[in-house]
Amino acid sequence: QKEVEQNSGPLSVPEGAIASLNCTYSDRGSQSFFWYRQYSGKSPELIMFIYSNGDKEDGRFTAQLNKASQYVSLLIRDSQPSDSATYLCAVGWGFGNEKLTFGTGTRLTIIP
Amino acid sequence: EAQVTQNPRYLITVTGKKLTVTCSQNMNHEYMSWYRQDPGLGLRQIYYSMNVEVTDKGDVPEGYKVSRKEKRNFPLILESPSPNQTSLYFCASSDGQGSYEQYFGPGTRLTVT
Repeated sequence: QKEVEQNSGPLSVPEGAIASLNCTYSDRGSQSFFWYRQYSGKSPELIMFIYSNGDKEDGRFTAQLNKASQYVSLLIRDSQPSDSATYLCAVGWGFGNEKLTFGTGTRLTIIP
Repeated sequence: EAQVTQNPRYLITVTGKKLTVTCSQNMNHEYMSWYRQDPGLGLRQIYYSMNVEVTDKGDVPEGYKVSRKEKRNFPLILESPSPNQTSLYFCASSDGQGSYEQYFGPGTRLTVT
């Protein structure tokens, strides 16, 4: 059984600061990693994906992957109140990453 | 507008009464999935489909059936619902390439009494 672990939070971060979200996974052979954001009462939406060790940046978001430690993280710079949401870490596998295992999510609150 | 639609959005039913939740996507995606989301347990994959007539079990398939007779549709069937199937259900689709993003429908909140 593939497992994905996240700290459920809540995580409170002042506006303008860096929010750091962490995730660990159990299957050392995992290849694809995703961060989804879910606002309360809404559907998840993809914000970042990463396949290779190291950092991947997209605007204010940086995903970091360390396969040796089986660890993936998401950094949000210059946090805004609109970043307040639950962030879901997911590990994908299969030819088209059609299988996804999600963590339970970390609830992030940005304090104005 | 590219989207995944689900119907109904809300459903209250009784134990044992068969029901179907429909899912349709207009993006010509090959991959489709069903998930359930429960507090403290997160999103869990029920079934997925890689193409027409190709389906496979996810992590929590017990008590559910699916079919994929057309590329755009992927209904979820509960033959004999039980209270432990009370949950929020999401359908998702993906083209299985690029970012491998799964596009989620708006969700169906099911209550089984």
